Amino acid sequence: AQTVTQSQPEMSVQEAETVTLSCTYDTSESDYYLFWYKQPPSRQMILVIRQEAYKQQNATENRFSVNFQKAAKSFSLKISDSQLGDAAMYFCAYRRAGTASKLTFGTGTRLQVTL
Amino acid sequence: DTEVTQTPKHLVMGMTNKKSLKCEQHMGHRAMYWYKQKAKKPPELMFVYSYEKLSINESVPSRFSPECPNSSLLNLHLHALQPEDSALYLCASSQGEAGWEKLFFGSGTQLSVL
Repeated sequence: AQTVTQSQPEMSVQEAETVTLSCTYDTSESDYYLFWYKQPPSRQMILVIRQEAYKQQNATENRFSVNFQKAAKSFSLKISDSQLGDAAMYFCAYRRAGTASKLTFGTGTRLQVTL
Repeated sequence: DTEVTQTPKHLVMGMTNKKSLKCEQHMGHRAMYWYKQKAKKPPELMFVYSYEKLSINESVPSRFSPECPNSSLLNLHLHALQPEDSALYLCASSQGEAGWEKLFFGSGTQLSVL
């Protein structure tokens, strides 16, 4: 079974600074996808960034980027120029390729952004 | 329209009640999902519908009964729930059921079972 581990229950960052959230996963599959979802107080889960396992290049979306280390099964999220609106719960998630596969979430990291 | 709409936003029910949660999307998505999220925990998959057919049932108790009447609607019928079923119920949709698909989530229904 696939497992996703987020070892940082809480993180704090000052506005305009950079923060990195950690995620590791375990799988025997070679083809899969990794995601970071954000859940603000509104409770709606929002996709932040997506990485295909077969791509060596790290995904980026504006201020958000990942460091994907396939051999180490590590998938960290870097948030640059942090903003107050980035404060939320961040979930790392794994889904194997193909159909009828479930999206498995990590336990989450709560990010606080301070002035 | 990139929204997934869930109603009601809050629901309080007794253990003998029957109620339904509703989820709607108009993005033309063919896969729809129900997740359960307990406080301070990650969402857990309950059901997946693909092209209006049940694709995944994560061994959910029969007191939860999903229904997909058409490609835009997903219901979750609740009957004889237990207090431990109190949680946030999230609906999501995606274009298809492939692993790379982006899921669009609603804001959830906060359910309290008394």
